[in-house]
This record gives sequence, C-alpha cells and structure tokens, in this order.
Amino acid sequence: TQLLEQSPQFLSIQEGENLTVYCNSSSVFSSLQWYRQEPGEGPVLLVTVVTGGEVKKLKRLTFQFGDARKDSSLHITAAQPGDTGLYLCAGTTSGTYKYIFGTGTRLKVLA
Amino acid sequence: ETGVTQTPRHLVMGMTNKKSLKCEQHLGHNAMYWYKQSAKKPLELMFVYNFKEQTENNSVPSRFSPECPNSSHLFLHLHTLQPEDSALYLCASSQGGYEKLFFGSGTQLSVL
Repeated sequence: TQLLEQSPQFLSIQEGENLTVYCNSSSVFSSLQWYRQEPGEGPVLLVTVVTGGEVKKLKRLTFQFGDARKDSSLHITAAQPGDTGLYLCAGTTSGTYKYIFGTGTRLKVLA
Repeated sequence: ETGVTQTPRHLVMGMTNKKSLKCEQHLGHNAMYWYKQSAKKPLELMFVYNFKEQTENNSVPSRFSPECPNSSHLFLHLHTLQPEDSALYLCASSQGGYEKLFFGSGTQLSVL
C-alpha cells in the first residue's frame, strides 16, 4: 500500500514567519502534486513536480521533489493569513489514474 | 469556478435510507473520481472511472454503488450506510496522467 506521510500535522504561526511542510513515502512516484483546501471547498492544485530534484516557485511558495521521487517539501516565506488552510500532497504512478493523498498539514497563520 | 458541480452540498440520512450523490463536470475530462474525506483519515480514493469504465475500486463496501452513465456525470448511490460513513464526499475529474485533479465542493454526509 502506498502511503504519504505529511509533517507536521498542525502548524500555527505568526504572520511573516517562514515554514516548511514535508511529504514522505517509501514508494516512488512518477509525479507529485500539492493542493490547498479551504473549509467547505474541495482541494485546489498549487503545483505539479515530475522530475527528481525539481524545484518550483510560486510567489512565496517553493516546492521541491526529492532526488529519488519519494519525498517532497513545501516552503512558505513570510506567511500571510491568506495562506491558512489544509495542505495536501498527492502522488501518482505512471500509467494509472490513481492519485494517493497524504495525511495533510493544517496551517493557521495569525495576523 | 472549478467546473465540477456536486449536489447536494449537505445530506442527512438514516441507516435504512437510500440516497444518491451527483457529480457533473463541464471540463471535457475523461476521468472522474470519488474520494472520501473524514476527520481522522487522509483523503481516501474510492472509485475511478476512465471513459465511463471503472478502472479502480479501492475495496469500497458494497453499500456504496457508483454509476457513470457518461464522461460528464458520476453518481454515488448509498444504501444501508453506517454512522462511520459520515464524511465529506468529494468528486473530481481530470484528463489523467499527470494532469491535475479538479474537485467539486463536496457533499457533507451525516448518517444517523
């Protein structure tokens, strides 16, 4: 069974602080995606990474895919209250439509 | 606007009821998914349909019965559910491969 463990589970920080969320697995994935989910809504895609070692930046968010394609991290610089939400990583294997989601990190940024 | 519409948004049902959840996507995607999201577990994949054919059944109990009449519509028929089935049920669609999932807003289900 493919599992994606995220850490930390919960994170409460002050506006302006930096943070990193981790997504780890013992399985190799062909691609890995990060989503953010707000209360009462479905998850919305932030980024997709497909190459081992790949780094992508989206404004204040930096995403990295591990060299072995088993892990990923999301770093947020100068967090803002608008970053509050549930962050989910999701992995998929080539040739399938099966997206496996991580355990989630619930982030709260206080003004 | 996500392009994936789920109805109803909220549903309360007894254990002996039969109800259906509906999902419609307006994005021209070929794959549709049902996921279950509960407080204590990660987002769980239930079923995957690709071009109306079921390609994945993640050991889901038979009290959940999916139906995909065409690539734009997906249903989840519910009968004799248990209280532990209470959760947010999310529908999603994609073009498959590495394409992103587009989610609906979900149906919050409570089983009494």
